[in-house]
Amino acid sequence: DQQVKQNSPSLSVQEGRISILNCDYTNSMFDYFLWYKKYPAEGPTFLISISSIKDKNEDGRFTVFLNKSAKHLSLHIVPSQPGDSAVYFCAASAPRGSNKLIFGTGTLLAVQP
Amino acid sequence: NAGVTQTPKFRILKIGQSMTLQCAQDMNHNYMYWYRQDPGMGLKLIYYSVGAGITDKGEVPNGYNVSRSTTEDFPLRLELAAPSQTSVYFCASRWDQRGGQGHGELFFGEGSRLTVL
Repeated sequence: DQQVKQNSPSLSVQEGRISILNCDYTNSMFDYFLWYKKYPAEGPTFLISISSIKDKNEDGRFTVFLNKSAKHLSLHIVPSQPGDSAVYFCAASAPRGSNKLIFGTGTLLAVQP
Repeated sequence: NAGVTQTPKFRILKIGQSMTLQCAQDMNHNYMYWYRQDPGMGLKLIYYSVGAGITDKGEVPNGYNVSRSTTEDFPLRLELAAPSQTSVYFCASRWDQRGGQGHGELFFGEGSRLTVL
């Protein structure tokens, strides 16, 4: 039972354009969401997060949007750069006290120069 | 700070062999985790620990064991390796208050690629 889903295994975008990565979740009790970025042969690194009490969080070129009614979040990268090419994982924090992060399957972003 | 250090980075095992993946962190984090990443399957939680002496099962614990005798170390033991355990294993850590919100950022190691033949 995949509680966090990233339905697009891959995405290709031209340099300078917007990249939009999507994530859906099924558990309405999730209260915190994170995006991680992973380069080949490296561990994932934290990118940006959002609490369920917000609908948007911005950090430089990266913005995460949360639509709780649709159980959907998205990561926008503007403008996209070749160095952004990586696998992006969406993760959700289970309710307080459960200590776990549930990860999606990842989306491979390729930014073409 | 070295962060989260995993050893070995690569290992090939024969079916039925045993081995331990080592994980150490120098950030004084109380929470530590083991994930495995299979192609197209994302990261699945194997075991986690909220502090020295305390461990708990994650989503896919079968075939693995862990211990947490110190804050710094969280080794993952495979007793009887099977081909289904071929994967990339990631150790991660974070700090949070006990019973906290669980929102602390996870810091990952570089991964250990294990092949069971």
